Amino acid sequence: GDSVTQMEGPVTLSEEAFLTINCTYTATGYPSLFWYVQYPGEGLQLLLKATKADDKGSNKGFEATYRKETTSFHLEKGSVQVSDSAVYFCALNGGSYIPTFGRGTSLIVHP
Amino acid sequence: DAGVIQSPRHEVTEMGQEVTLRCKPISGHDYLFWYRQTMMRGLELLIYFNNNVPIDDSGMPEDRFSAKMPNASFSTLKIQPSEPRDSAVYFCASSLDPGGGTEAFFGQGTRLTVV
Repeated sequence: GDSVTQMEGPVTLSEEAFLTINCTYTATGYPSLFWYVQYPGEGLQLLLKATKADDKGSNKGFEATYRKETTSFHLEKGSVQVSDSAVYFCALNGGSYIPTFGRGTSLIVHP
Repeated sequence: DAGVIQSPRHEVTEMGQEVTLRCKPISGHDYLFWYRQTMMRGLELLIYFNNNVPIDDSGMPEDRFSAKMPNASFSTLKIQPSEPRDSAVYFCASSLDPGGGTEAFFGQGTRLTVV
């Protein structure tokens, strides 16, 4: 079945540091890939997505590129802010139509 | 649209009591998902509906859990009887066309505490 593996957290960074959160997936066919963000006490919300190989999704300074050859969709940001502190989920929509999520990675950014 | 609306936001109940969680999806979304989130197990899919019909309930932990979607604008998740291990945050999400690459829209969740 479909699955998503992402790096365990928490990831702790200082403000303005570079962020990478690794994500790899297993799926049949050609899934769409997503990053969601969850702030404390809230539901998940879409951060960015890519629907085909080599597409780059971007939003609010975050980027991720759909790499079919390595089955990866790593999240990056060049300069994080305290307000980026949240839990980040990598996800895919595979052939089953069921959104499948990773375990989530907590990001803590210190001033 | 106001987004996916869940109620209540918080529920505290005693073991053995019946609990009903409610969800109003985004209008026009054909897919509705119920998830449970815990620290130990992360985000688990419980059940999903397509056009109000339950498609996959293999994630429902046991017979104490049931879900219905009587119309396109309303769904319920019921636990009867509730147990302390059911304590978690329950999310409802809806999507227009997940197979076509559309994202899931989540409600704010219901935090359930069973004492």
